[in-house]
This record gives sequence, C-alpha cells and structure tokens, in this order.
Amino acid sequence: AQSVTQPDIHITVSEGASLELRCNYSYGATPYLFWYVQSPGQGLQLLLKYFSGDTLVQGIKGFEAEFKRSQSSFNLRKPSVHWSDAAEYFCAIKLSFGAGTTVTVRA
Amino acid sequence: NAGVTQTPKFQVLKTGQSMTLQCAQDMNHNSMYWYRQDPGMGLRLIYYSASEGTTDKGEVPNGYNVSRLNKREFSLRLESAAPSQTSVYFCASRKLEGQAFYSPLHFGNGTRLTVT
Repeated sequence: AQSVTQPDIHITVSEGASLELRCNYSYGATPYLFWYVQSPGQGLQLLLKYFSGDTLVQGIKGFEAEFKRSQSSFNLRKPSVHWSDAAEYFCAIKLSFGAGTTVTVRA
Repeated sequence: NAGVTQTPKFQVLKTGQSMTLQCAQDMNHNSMYWYRQDPGMGLRLIYYSASEGTTDKGEVPNGYNVSRLNKREFSLRLESAAPSQTSVYFCASRKLEGQAFYSPLHFGNGTRLTVT
C-alpha cells in the first residue's frame, strides 16, 4: 500500500524567506504525487502534481516541487513566502494524504 | 461556478443521533469521495464512489454509510453518532479517466461535526 510521511508538523518562516516542506513517500510503482494547500476554514486546493516527465514541477502561487526517486521524496519549495502563504500543506499519493505541515509566516 | 457544495457547514449531535451530510458537485465529475480530517492525522478516506451506481469502502468506513444518489450527489450518513466521529468532513470529486490517479481531487469547504 502507498503512504506519505510529512516529517514536519509545524514550520515558522519569516516573510520573504524561502520555504521548503518535506514529503517522503512509500510506493513500489510510479507514484502519482500531489501537494494541496488548506487555508483556515476552507477545503483543500491543488498546488501541483507529478506523474511523470520533468522532475521539477511548477505549481500555482509560485510553488514548485522536485521529485527524487532515489530519495523517495517530493519536497515543496517557494523562494520567497508571503503572509498569505500561512496555511496547512498536505502531500498526497493517489488518494492517501500525509498528516500535514502547518506554516506560520511572521512579519 | 460552485464546484463542490457541502451542507450543513456545522452540526452538533448527541450520541446516538443520526444525520446525513450532503454533497453535490457541478463539474460533471464521475468520482466522488468522503474524507474525515482530524488533527495530526491528515485526511482519511471513509467511502468513495468511482462512478454513478458504485460505492466502496475506504480506510475508515465503520459507523458510516453512503449513497450515490445520482452523478452529482453523494451523501454520507451517520446512523448512530459517537463522540469518536467528531471531526471535519470533506467531500471531494474528480474526473476519472485515462490514467486514473492523475486527476486531482476538488474539495468542498467541509462540515464541522461535533458529537457530545
């Protein structure tokens, strides 16, 4: 069975600083990987997805993620965070979700 | 363009009461899903319907039933609510075609349920 692990429960970052959220997956075949974002009181919104091809994937809101098969990872990055990026972020493989990482942005 | 609509937004039940959570999508998606979200546990799949007329259990189906009423609507029923079912419930849908797991999920805004 497939699964994802998000090692960081909570990350605090200063506005304008870079952000990296970690995601490790466990799956034997080609993974279908997603990153979603959840703002307070809202449902989840897709940021980006990876299925095959270029291992660096661009998403919405300036986010990108890199698929590394050798490390079983699909980490999410943003070069410069904005206060509006404060949210909970979920990595998913197929229909299975990680526990989420809460991002706090300080001024 | 409403997307996925869930009703109600909030609900408080007493132990043993029953209720149905409603979900409707207007994106012509064929697959629909019910998840529950609990702190530190992410989202866990309760039931899903890959297409109209079919339903299947997910990871945590005990205590729940579902009905795929038509292509648009997928309801989740709690027959006898328990405090352990206090959670935020999300309905999601997606278009299932070709490479089945390539298409992302589209989520509603959730129903916050408290069982006392």
